[in-house]
Amino acid sequence: EAGVTQSPRYAVLQEGQAVSFWCDPISGHDTLYWYQQPRDQGPQLLVYFRDEAVIDNSQLPSDRFSAVRPKGTNSTLKIQSAKQGDTATYLCASRDSLTGQLYFGEGSKLTVL
Amino acid sequence: QQKVQQSPESLTVSEGAMASLNCTFSDGTSNNFRWYRQHSAKGLEVLVSIFSDGEKEEGRFTAHLNRANLHVSLHIREPQPSDSAVYLCAVTTSGSWQLIFGSGTQLTVMP
Repeated sequence: EAGVTQSPRYAVLQEGQAVSFWCDPISGHDTLYWYQQPRDQGPQLLVYFRDEAVIDNSQLPSDRFSAVRPKGTNSTLKIQSAKQGDTATYLCASRDSLTGQLYFGEGSKLTVL
Repeated sequence: QQKVQQSPESLTVSEGAMASLNCTFSDGTSNNFRWYRQHSAKGLEVLVSIFSDGEKEEGRFTAHLNRANLHVSLHIREPQPSDSAVYLCAVTTSGSWQLIFGSGTQLTVMP
């Protein structure tokens, strides 16, 4: 069974540029999460979806961040006008509704210069 | 708001010696506790999940939960250098699908 797939694995931007991260969850998992993990910190929840609906996006840092999951499968996290403080690894996870277990992708590491 | 704290921040043990990691949480209604391992530049690998007070063993990894003390620990038996990684504690509150993480313990296992 394929795991959670994320791309790109790495991105390097200048401040003010935009970037999009893509996530393909495990087939059949209806809940999808985006986490931000700054260096030397634990992952912090940004937003999560059940199917195509946003359940909670209250922890998105600002209106520069947006996330969509239009067909309830793949998801995109977009950062506009990136800042140095956005430097982090962005992790996507999907949830097995039977076990409650979350499965994580390898992450997209963002560096903003 | 749930607070999850881990200690120590870093731990160095010799190969074969027991490694013990600690995690405290603030919400006594929490009912779902997981330990993850994260190798550098890799995703999170779940090691053990525990839902009731007591002990849960998965291979060389054993979790102990004491909800009255708001404490969950992870013990690694016979650690190997390949176990060197960041270990993350994650807690879910009853009725929520949110997983709240601690800041991690960096474990180094010396040969």
